[in-house]
Amino acid sequence: EDQVTQSPEALRLQEGESSSLNCSYTVSGLRGLFWYRQDPGKGPEFLFTLYSAGEEKEKERLKATLTKKESFLHITAPKPEDSATYLCAVDIYNFNKFYFGSGTKLNVKP
Amino acid sequence: DVKVTQSSRYLVKRTGEKVFLECVQDMDHENMFWYRQDPGLGLRLIYFSYDVKMKEKGDIPEGYSVSREKKERFSLILESASTNQTSMYLCASSLTGVGENIQYFGAGTRLSVL
Repeated sequence: EDQVTQSPEALRLQEGESSSLNCSYTVSGLRGLFWYRQDPGKGPEFLFTLYSAGEEKEKERLKATLTKKESFLHITAPKPEDSATYLCAVDIYNFNKFYFGSGTKLNVKP
Repeated sequence: DVKVTQSSRYLVKRTGEKVFLECVQDMDHENMFWYRQDPGLGLRLIYFSYDVKMKEKGDIPEGYSVSREKKERFSLILESASTNQTSMYLCASSLTGVGENIQYFGAGTRLSVL
């Protein structure tokens, strides 16, 4: 069965304390892996797409990486405004739909 | 910028009512999606559409139907609302093709069924 698992479920960091979020997947025929940020009461906002193992993408304090079995979202020197739920999703060949993980809720304390 | 607009941010309905949730996108996207999001369960796909008048069931279609009469508009219908349909509903749209199929989401509709 195709599956996407995110860990940890929740993460509390002090401002400036770097860490990583994990998204592991067991799917056949990965076409792409997507990271989103979701603020409370709002829709997910697109961050990154990764298509092949070894690929990396960066945006401000965020860096996403991809291997054959998992993706990491590295957060360097986070600020309180980085507090949000981070979702990953995978897209599989022959389907037009995404499989979403349950998300990691990040809380960055000043 | 891609814009996906959901007609209501909050709705309160009674059990048994017929409920319409509307979604409009302005980027000429072929694909449109309806999800519901519940704590601990993540986003679950209800229905999607890859063309006008076309629809496909997602993972949890029971109790829902959809309509896509125009390319830019995708409606979710709860034929007879029940309390277990209280949830956050999210609409998304995308193009087709590798490198283009990013799903863009609306702000969501929080539905309460009493």
